[in-house]
Amino acid sequence: EDKVVQSPLSLVVHEGDTVTLNCSYEVTNFRSLLWYKQEKKAPTFLFMLTSSGIEKKSGRLSSILDKKELFSILNITATQTGDSAVYLCAVEAVVGGGADGLTFGKGTHLIIQP
Amino acid sequence: KAGVTQTPRYLIKTRGQQVTLSCSPISGHRSVSWYQQTPGQGLQFLFEYFSETQRNKGNFPGRFSGRQFSNSRSEMNVSTLELGDSALYLCASSLEGGLPYYSYEQYFGPGTRLTVT
Repeated sequence: EDKVVQSPLSLVVHEGDTVTLNCSYEVTNFRSLLWYKQEKKAPTFLFMLTSSGIEKKSGRLSSILDKKELFSILNITATQTGDSAVYLCAVEAVVGGGADGLTFGKGTHLIIQP
Repeated sequence: KAGVTQTPRYLIKTRGQQVTLSCSPISGHRSVSWYQQTPGQGLQFLFEYFSETQRNKGNFPGRFSGRQFSNSRSEMNVSTLELGDSALYLCASSLEGGLPYYSYEQYFGPGTRLTVT
């Protein structure tokens, strides 16, 4: 059974700190890994990673994938209170001729204190 | 452009009843996916529809079913409701379906909060 584990489950830091969120996975026929941010509403897409070692960046957020060690990290630098959210990691796996759906981790609940 | 809409937003049902949830994707999007979110299990994939066909299915019992219409609107049905079906049901749409598009840049709706008593 496909498995995605995120750590830590929750994290409280002060504004301006840098945080690193972890996502490890065990899936058959890996296709891609995705990061989402979920505030008090539905998740919003952040990054999609398919290749090892290539960093994706968007402003203060960045993410990288290691397909050999089966994990990804999401970095947020100079955190702001607006970064407070649940960050979800999901892995897409391939079965046969189509994708097998997304398997999500439980998420990391990040709280940024002013 | 209007976002993904889901109706109803809140629903209370009793055990044994059935329920139908509706999702209207972003105009032009052909893929619709459904997810169940609970505090205990997190976000879990239910199924994906593309061009009126179910392409992918998660690990849920047959009580959970869905369909997609020619205008890409989708409905999800849960029969014989159980207390454990209480959850936030999210629908997401994307422009294309299949590899890897339906997961890439999905746009989620606000969800339907289902409470089973």
